[in-house]
Amino acid sequence: DQQVKQNSPSLSVQEGRISILNCDYTNSMFDYFLWYKKYPAEGPTFLISISSIKDKNEDGRFTVFLNKSAKHLSLHIVPSQPGDSAVYFCAASHLTGNQFYFGTGTSLTVIP
Amino acid sequence: DAGVTQSPTHLIKTRGQQVTLRCSPKSGHDTVSWYQQALGQGPQFIFQYYEEEERQRGNFPDRFSGHQFPNYSSELNVNALLLGDSALYLCASSSETSAPKQFFGPGTRLTVL
Repeated sequence: DQQVKQNSPSLSVQEGRISILNCDYTNSMFDYFLWYKKYPAEGPTFLISISSIKDKNEDGRFTVFLNKSAKHLSLHIVPSQPGDSAVYFCAASHLTGNQFYFGTGTSLTVIP
Repeated sequence: DAGVTQSPTHLIKTRGQQVTLRCSPKSGHDTVSWYQQALGQGPQFIFQYYEEEERQRGNFPDRFSGHQFPNYSSELNVNALLLGDSALYLCASSSETSAPKQFFGPGTRLTVL
C-alpha cells in the first residue's frame, strides 16, 4: 500500500522557468514532510521540509506548500537551473521520525 | 565533517548466500535507519536502530537483520539471498535531539545472481 504517491514520473522545464513537483499522501497521521533530491550514484540529499502546523516553507529558490485538507504537497523551484536536473523524492513521517515513507520519485530535467 | 559513509559500494552475490553491509553515521548522530531502493522505486524502510536496539521495523522478512554498535555505526545482514533482494541499500542517520530529518549515505548496490 503506497501511502505517498508521486504521479508524475518525469517533468521537463526550460531554464529560468518554474518547476512544480507534486506529491499526495493518504495517511492523515503524517505530520512531517520532506523533499529529497537524488543524483545518479549518490544517496538522496535533503532539500527542504515542512511540519503539518505550517502551510508553506521557503528556502531560497525552493518553496514547499502543504494542503492538509487535500493531503497534497508541492515543491516549487524558481528559477529552475540545469543543475536542478535530478530525481526528486517526497517523503512523509510522524514527528518521531522513526520511519519515512517515500514516493516513487519524479525525474526533473531542466533544459538550458 | 564526514557525512554518512557506507561500505562496500558495490557487491555481487549468488542466491542463497549471506551479505553484510556497513554504515557509519554522520558525526553527532545516534540513530541509523536502513532502506531498500529497488529500480524505479522510492526507498522502502527496513528498520531503525537507536541505543543498539531495533526500534522500528518495516515490512521486511526476518532474513533482514541488523546491529548497532556503541559508536553508533551499524550493519545490515541479509541471509538466504533471493534475486529480488537486488537493490540499492541506503543508510540514513539522524539525531534524537533534532527535527526528524535523515541524512543519507551514497548506498551499497547489491546484485544477486
